Amino acid sequence: AQKVTQAQTEISVVEKEDVTLDCVYETRDTTYYLFWYKQPPSGELVFLIRRNSFDEQNEISGRYSWNFQKSTSSFNFTITASQVVDSAVYFCALSEAQGSGGGADGLTFGKGTHLIIQP
Amino acid sequence: DAGITQSPRHKVTETGTPVTLRCHQTENHRYMYWYRQDPGHGLRLIHYSYGVKDTDKGEVSDGYSVSRSKTEDFLLTLESATSSQTSVYFCAIKGQARIDTQYFGPGTRLTVL
Repeated sequence: AQKVTQAQTEISVVEKEDVTLDCVYETRDTTYYLFWYKQPPSGELVFLIRRNSFDEQNEISGRYSWNFQKSTSSFNFTITASQVVDSAVYFCALSEAQGSGGGADGLTFGKGTHLIIQP
Repeated sequence: DAGITQSPRHKVTETGTPVTLRCHQTENHRYMYWYRQDPGHGLRLIHYSYGVKDTDKGEVSDGYSVSRSKTEDFLLTLESATSSQTSVYFCAIKGQARIDTQYFGPGTRLTVL
């Protein structure tokens, strides 16, 4: 069975600090996809990134960067120079490519990390 | 914007009453999903659909049924609502390919008294 663990329930930092959100996953599949979603206080879920299991290159998008390491089953998310607008709950999620259901492959989510950026 | 709407956005109902939530999409996506979000649990998959009239159970399907009679609509029904089904319900869609990303609707907040 697949599992996603976000051990940090809540993180609070002061604006402009760097912060890393941890994500550890478990899966038996060799092909899978990892995701990060952001849920701001308004409640919607915003897609941030998708990574497949064959692509271990780190990715940077503006102040956001992601570190995927298969050796430690981790897919960590770093925000550089945090801003108040980054305050949200962040979810890491996993989808196995060999799942059943005609390719539907539902997501398994971690419990989320509540990030608070103080001004 | 993935063209997903959910209705109603908020609902308060009483224990034992039937409730139907609707997810509507406008972009002909093949795959549709229902998740629930509860404090301390993240999001959990209830049911999903991989085509018209093709549906299957997710992790927390007990007490829920779904129907998809046309591509654009995926309905979630609570036959007899219980207080444990108080939650925020999210619909999601995915495109035609297995590797596509899931995009989420705005959510429905359901309170069962």
